[in-house]
Amino acid sequence: GQNIDQPTEMTATEGAIVQINCTYQTSGFNGLFWYQQHAGEAPTFLSYNVLDGLEEKGRFSSFLSRSKGYSYLLLKELQMKDSASYLCASDRTAGNNRKLIWGLGTSLAVNP
Amino acid sequence: DVKVTQSSRYLVKRTGEKVFLECVQDMDHENMFWYRQDPGLGLRLIYFSYDVKMKEKGDIPEGYSVSREKKERFSLILESASTNQTSMYLCASSLSVRGETQYFGPGTRLLVL
Repeated sequence: GQNIDQPTEMTATEGAIVQINCTYQTSGFNGLFWYQQHAGEAPTFLSYNVLDGLEEKGRFSSFLSRSKGYSYLLLKELQMKDSASYLCASDRTAGNNRKLIWGLGTSLAVNP
Repeated sequence: DVKVTQSSRYLVKRTGEKVFLECVQDMDHENMFWYRQDPGLGLRLIYFSYDVKMKEKGDIPEGYSVSREKKERFSLILESASTNQTSMYLCASSLSVRGETQYFGPGTRLLVL
């Protein structure tokens, strides 16, 4: 199958830390994308993990475990503007097959 | 900066009309994609193209066709619009390298009456 799973909704408090998990099928896997999408807008790129481990980019970090088919996005020092949907996508492109496998997104609400 | 533009932000059409959605990217990307996004269903790939005049079906191609006559332009065509095609349509482009980011246009919100 091509399942990629992430929680539907999460809530957190301004200033806190939140972790959004994503699990995926490991066959043919190249890497894992995270995108942010604010309501009514297009998705924008956050990160791409190929190797196991944690990659940090300012307040946002992304982790990958290839053997477990697991990734998470870590958001620190949450701000109200971080309220958005967070999409994970599995890169299983090969040859002319350029399709990503998209999760349904995790809607994060940051409360004051 | 990569720029992906779509011809309309909002569009209202009637059932049975032929609808053209245009997408243009200015970064010489080989790959272009058309998605639709609906609440609870996420992003679903309609068609993609990895080169001029080349097209591949995505997950939900029924009721749609595409055209890529020039590298920078990828058109989505609804031959006879139906109410179940009311949706947000998103175009994206990327380089033809594994792991390359897909850059999205602003989206077209289509309402079919």
